[in-house]
Amino acid sequence: EAGVAQSPRYKIIEKRQSVAFWCNPISGHATLYWYQQILGQGPKLLIQFQNNGVVDDSQLPKDRFSAERLKGVDSTLKIQPAKLEDSAVYLCASSLDPDREETQYFGPGTRLLVL
Amino acid sequence: KQEVTQIPAALSVPEGENLVLNCSFTDSAIYNLQWFRQDPGKGLTSLLLIQSSQREQTSGRLNASLDKSSGRSTLYIAASQPGDSATYLCAVRHSNSWGKFQFGAGTQVVVTP
Repeated sequence: EAGVAQSPRYKIIEKRQSVAFWCNPISGHATLYWYQQILGQGPKLLIQFQNNGVVDDSQLPKDRFSAERLKGVDSTLKIQPAKLEDSAVYLCASSLDPDREETQYFGPGTRLLVL
Repeated sequence: KQEVTQIPAALSVPEGENLVLNCSFTDSAIYNLQWFRQDPGKGLTSLLLIQSSQREQTSGRLNASLDKSSGRSTLYIAASQPGDSATYLCAVRHSNSWGKFQFGAGTQVVVTP
């Protein structure tokens, strides 16, 4: 079974530029999560999708971050414009259905550096 | 608001010694608690999940306990090996959240040969 795929693995941009990350969850997984992990901290949930609907985006900085999950499969997370404090690892995870299986499967992450 | 704390932040032990990692949480109304492992430059891997009605879970050399009333969980790794070197994170799902986990900052473990 293929795992969660993310691209790119690394990205370096200057502040005020825009950037986009892509995630392909495990086939059949209805729930998809985007996390932000700042160095030395645990992952913080940015947004949670159930199929192509948003379940929780309470911690997403909506003035600069956006995310979509078209057709309930792949997802993209965009930052526009980026700030220095956005430097972090962005993790995508998926799960079958939180009511049936709690385990979240994580991708390798995209490491973003904003200069 | 749920706060999840892991102490110590870092730990170094010689090979063969048992590891004890601690996780505490402020709100005891949890649905479950999960322990993850994170290797450098990689995502998280789930190790053990304990439902709120359970006291412990075991998998191989790993054992996790849960004391909901005191807001604590402990991960024990028996007979540590250099391959156990990684960061270990605990994550708590609140009873009112659906699939949403609150993570601790993790404990970085180094097992020296």
